[in-house]
Amino acid sequence: EPEVTQTPSHQVTQMGQEVILRCVPISNHLYFYWYRQILGQKVEFLVSFYNNEISEKSEIFDDQFSVERPDGSNFTLKIRSTKLEDSAMYFCASSPPGTGGWEQPQHFGDGTRLSIL
Amino acid sequence: LAKTTQPISMDSYEGQEVNITCSHNNIATNDYITWYQQFPSQGPRFIIQGYKTKVTNEVASLFIPADRKSSTLSLPRVSLSDTAVYYCLVGDGRAAGNKLTFGGGTRVLVKP
Repeated sequence: EPEVTQTPSHQVTQMGQEVILRCVPISNHLYFYWYRQILGQKVEFLVSFYNNEISEKSEIFDDQFSVERPDGSNFTLKIRSTKLEDSAMYFCASSPPGTGGWEQPQHFGDGTRLSIL
Repeated sequence: LAKTTQPISMDSYEGQEVNITCSHNNIATNDYITWYQQFPSQGPRFIIQGYKTKVTNEVASLFIPADRKSSTLSLPRVSLSDTAVYYCLVGDGRAAGNKLTFGGGTRVLVKP
């Protein structure tokens, strides 16, 4: 079964540094998402992306965050100047086009653990 | 957005059936009900989705009463590997690409 892949699995970065988290969504999917999960807390939505633009973003997704689909396969999340509170698991997800019926489920990668020192 | 309420945790034993009930009293007409499973250090994984009555797949069954104000995820004959957090989500099925809003989920511990 096709899956969403994320790299790296663990990223350690100094506070204030830029970090780029990478994702390869499932190939025929059109909708892409980033979520994060701080240790012991809920999975939180960050941003959704469709047709090369952001569809929706949460309050967490401030000016320090950006997303990009630089080619036909990768989907990246950039944090420009990391803060200690950015430490979390970051999950990428993708979903296929709707069928005119019910929304298609989102498929998640296994995440990148981001540790800010 | 319909709010969901589910138990914080449940314990079970291998071979038993586990039923997790989720309340969603203000579910809207176009909302569908979806359950995800999350193992430690992994992303959530889709289990099952339904709108009304009963849905069954190779992993679980989902029971939805006529008023749709609750739903029950049933995991038959659980094994140790079913230990995970289970999330009930309710969302608008009309448009693709909607965000998922996760609650705290139900932490299921399967004991030998």
